[in-house]
Amino acid sequence: DGGITQSPKYLFRKEGQNVTLSCEQNLNHDAMYWYRQDPGQGLRLIYYSQIVNDFQKGDIAEGYSVSREKKESFPLTVTSAQKNPTAFYLCASSPKPLNTEAFFGQGTRLTVV
Amino acid sequence: ILNVEQSPQSLHVQEGDSTNFTCSFPSSNFYALHWYRWETAKSPEALFVMTLNGDEKKKGRISATLNTKEGYSYLYIKGSQPEDSATYLCALRKTGNQFYFGTGTSLTVIP
Repeated sequence: DGGITQSPKYLFRKEGQNVTLSCEQNLNHDAMYWYRQDPGQGLRLIYYSQIVNDFQKGDIAEGYSVSREKKESFPLTVTSAQKNPTAFYLCASSPKPLNTEAFFGQGTRLTVV
Repeated sequence: ILNVEQSPQSLHVQEGDSTNFTCSFPSSNFYALHWYRWETAKSPEALFVMTLNGDEKKKGRISATLNTKEGYSYLYIKGSQPEDSATYLCALRKTGNQFYFGTGTSLTVIP
């Protein structure tokens, strides 16, 4: 079945360690996105990519890095520079036309202890 | 950062009641307004994508309207059922391919 897969669902890391969250899609979508959700807040954009080998910072990119080496994959690295990394992370993708919907993964809950 | 606001933040209704939520957004540089339903432990799923002022869309008991000139969209649910319990997100899509999400309205339908 076509869709977006995020792994793992739950992730625990020690403070000071980098961690990479996986996002894979087989929908042949050009655009991919990473969002962060904190309690009581909406989805905030971390990074997005409109095409392979290109990506742009969103509103809260500090402390995060991404790569887009393949169309299907858009991994997010939470670095030790991210001051409050504990959050729910949601990956999405969308086709090129701007009047089309986004499709989402099931999310990864990251807890840094 | 673009401010998309949703109200109310949460809502409890009895089964069979009809209800509606609001999404407000800056009306300038508008391209599309999206509504998503996000059930617990699942992925958000698209309900509607609207692009034209005056758009009205319907899917079963759920419908939505759009006013781009005044910057708001309404989502209506007729005869709420327990399976409608979810968080309803609206998102503004602008040129540049970004989505700007509201904080959502959490709906609980009490049997």
